[in-house]
Amino acid sequence: AIQLTQSPSSLSASVGDRITIACRASQGISSALAWYQQKPGQAPKLLIYDASRLQTGVPSRFSGSYSGTDFTLTISSLQPEDFAAYYCQQFNGYPFTFGGGTNVEIK
Amino acid sequence: EVQLVESGGGLFKPGGSLRLSCAASGFTFSAYSMNWVRQAPGKGLEWVSFVSASSSHIYYSDSVRGRFTISRDNAKNSLFLQMNSLRVEDTAVYYCARHFSGSDYWGHGTLVTVSS
Repeated sequence: AIQLTQSPSSLSASVGDRITIACRASQGISSALAWYQQKPGQAPKLLIYDASRLQTGVPSRFSGSYSGTDFTLTISSLQPEDFAAYYCQQFNGYPFTFGGGTNVEIK
Repeated sequence: EVQLVESGGGLFKPGGSLRLSCAASGFTFSAYSMNWVRQAPGKGLEWVSFVSASSSHIYYSDSVRGRFTISRDNAKNSLFLQMNSLRVEDTAVYYCARHFSGSDYWGHGTLVTVSS
């Protein structure tokens, strides 16, 4: 199975900060990676698909990029509503594994 | 508006069985593959199962293969997860999700608790 190593597992940041979350795949997955945001008590929300494509309705401060097996989610200017958990998921091969998650907390 | 509504969760005993349902609306259900994803209390997301639009392709995670069965009824816009031989570690919120380069729409989830 393809493993996704997400880092950091948590981070503290302030409103207006630029943050990056990393997700490394154990083998090549092309661009078959999605990023999700999840707030407490809510279902996950798709932010980025195909590694770098912004889902409709998601603010442009969110962006995704990749190089080889290294994927990155960037929030250019953190807003109060962005404090949440973030997950990456690969859908190149079964099982469709998720990363371990990153909790973004208010500093 | 796309809507996915799960049902069937509750409290069950180890070794027992249950069937989760997911009612879909607001899109052409028969055109989309679907996933089940679960989340144990306080833990991360775990992909459980996938079914293609016509049910021709079905996949499971190692943790549920042989115990869970995914199915769908395109005429009734419904997705199902039959869960047998339940274990305490199956306790989780179960989400159905539409498959699109990942999962683009999710239900609110239904809580399954397995405890003696």
